[in-house]
Amino acid sequence: ILNVEQSPQSLHVQEGDSTNFTCSFPSSNFYALHWYRWETAKSPEALFVMTLNGDEKKKGRISATLNTKEGYSYLYIKGSQPEDSATYLCAFMSNTGNQFYFGTGTSLTVIP
Amino acid sequence: DAGITQSPRHKVTETGTPVTLRCHQTENHRYMYWYRQDPGHGLRLIHYSYGVKDTDKGEVSDGYSVSRSKTEDFLLTLESATSSQTSVYFCAISLADQETQYFGPGTRLLVL
Repeated sequence: ILNVEQSPQSLHVQEGDSTNFTCSFPSSNFYALHWYRWETAKSPEALFVMTLNGDEKKKGRISATLNTKEGYSYLYIKGSQPEDSATYLCAFMSNTGNQFYFGTGTSLTVIP
Repeated sequence: DAGITQSPRHKVTETGTPVTLRCHQTENHRYMYWYRQDPGHGLRLIHYSYGVKDTDKGEVSDGYSVSRSKTEDFLLTLESATSSQTSVYFCAISLADQETQYFGPGTRLLVL
């Protein structure tokens, strides 16, 4: 079992604020990292697949960076909107294993 | 949206009874997964399949078995349900092991 940690556990921001949160994972034997967005009463939806150290991905106002050497990934949301309210999950796979390990997520609430 | 369905969507059963959950996909994806989601634990992998009749254990496989006789169907069986198996179960599919996972709508199981 690999340890994947996300921080903070929850976050409340005002509409228009920019925010970021962290996913920490083992710094050795990296294979892939995924970010998912999970709205209440729905299923997780993929945001990013990251496989190379230094990767930066962007989708609209959401972007992510990856540092495999130090074992972390950041997810940034610029100008948060109420519809960004969701739990954001990261999932890590090592190259010695065959499954993704999910963090417990960061719950984001954007207050109008 | 990926064509993934789960059945049943809700089930209440009694301790000691067998339960089978079905995941059906129309995407012809090679990989299929069963996760459980519990408060404080995020998503944890139960079993996965990398092809017809090819399955392997995940992080929390005790008390569960799976079968995949066709590409499109992945069955999860609780041979003798226990209260600790009360959870929300998600099926997911992917083209390859490191690729994006697409999740089904979930099955809410209550074991009394």
